[in-house]
Amino acid sequence: EVQLVESGGGLIQPGGSLRLSCAVSGLTVSSNYMTWVRRAPGKGLEWVSVIYPNGATHYPDSVKGRFTISRDASKNTLYLQMNSLRADDTAVYYCTRLALLTPPNEYFDFWGQGTLVTVSS
Amino acid sequence: QSVLTQPPSASGTPGQRVTISCSGSSSNIGRNSVNWYQQLPGTAPKLLFYNNDQRPSGVPDRFSASKSGTSASLAISGLQSEDEADYYCATWDDNLGTRMFGGGTKLTVL
Repeated sequence: EVQLVESGGGLIQPGGSLRLSCAVSGLTVSSNYMTWVRRAPGKGLEWVSVIYPNGATHYPDSVKGRFTISRDASKNTLYLQMNSLRADDTAVYYCTRLALLTPPNEYFDFWGQGTLVTVSS
Repeated sequence: QSVLTQPPSASGTPGQRVTISCSGSSSNIGRNSVNWYQQLPGTAPKLLFYNNDQRPSGVPDRFSASKSGTSASLAISGLQSEDEADYYCATWDDNLGTRMFGGGTKLTVL
């Protein structure tokens, strides 16, 4: 059974930093396409980062230069380092596995339960 | 504002059939496969359909999905109270070079 368990969320002041973790079991993080997706209060889902098996990473413009996705193969854990946080980064952050069809077709098939990040003074 | 347009809300009574639309363009839905996600209140999103109309195991066959041209739709027949949730379409946009979600549709079972 695949399980993804996020942690590390909390209340942080604007401009601050936070690192989210996602402990994964049932699949190998370093062999899969892994992502973070968020949902802000009253808004829809937004993809915020992806890491490929070869280590390449990609981000949308909304977080590029501020967020960094990484992984630790020895711990089978995914991370999201978030810097220069802003109020509009307030959201529940979900760790997901991205399954590939014929590129660029893909889908998020496994999701964690999410961790809440609140950016406020 | 998302390039994938969904109605913000939909509703129906138990037993009814409801459909949720997802309108895009030639650079996204017109070229790439569409996925649908269901997010029940207070829970994580769940994959409902992938590759336009493929249903993962465990998804009831009351749910169906289709794609035509630059639009996709999700249909729920025999509506049940536990179907009350937010529904999102998603695909890749070739022009923007990124993956995206629709704005979401909140389904209310009256």
